[in-house]
Amino acid sequence: AQSVSQHNHHVILSEAASLELGCNYSYGGTVNLFWYVQYPGQHLQLLLKYFSGDPLVKGIKGFEAEFIKSKFSFNLRKPSVQWSDTAEYFCADPDSGTYKYIFGTGTRLKVLA
Amino acid sequence: EPEVTQTPSHQVTQMGQEVILRCVPISNHLYFYWYRQILGQKVEFLVSFYNNEISEKSEIFDDQFSVERPDGSNFTLKIRSTKLEDSAMYFCASRGKNIQYFGAGTRLSVL
Repeated sequence: AQSVSQHNHHVILSEAASLELGCNYSYGGTVNLFWYVQYPGQHLQLLLKYFSGDPLVKGIKGFEAEFIKSKFSFNLRKPSVQWSDTAEYFCADPDSGTYKYIFGTGTRLKVLA
Repeated sequence: EPEVTQTPSHQVTQMGQEVILRCVPISNHLYFYWYRQILGQKVEFLVSFYNNEISEKSEIFDDQFSVERPDGSNFTLKIRSTKLEDSAMYFCASRGKNIQYFGAGTRLSVL
């Protein structure tokens, strides 16, 4: 069955530290991948997406992700985090049929001021 | 930017009661979804809906659950007889251009 793994469940960083959150997907066909962020009390917001083309995709708020097909990975990165990046981050891979999302377990990021 | 809106933001109910969670998807979207997230667990797919019918449902979506689009704008999830284990955050999403847009969720607490 299709699955998505996020290995870091809780991450605590100081402001200005660099961030990398891991995401691995299992599906071997056409790949569409997403990162969403959920700030406390708010809805899931799209950070960035990969459909095809350049494997390094840039999203909002300075985030980027690299699609590495050989590693089945789509890791999220940010060179310098801010306190306002404190949130939960979800990697998602749509099912090829109804396009339902298969989510990773999420990573709670806490950035210390 | 268009948004998916969900009401209520928090619903408290007694076990065995019926609840209806409401969602207003983005107006020109055709595909709709419900997901839930039990506290501390991953976001799980419940059901997808297209052309006024269910296109897929998960094992979680048993006979106690139903969805409908009663008036062409609202998209509702009904739980007929709530159980303690239905306590979760429920998210609605609508899809356009292969991107799903999510509402802020309804926190359902079953006592």
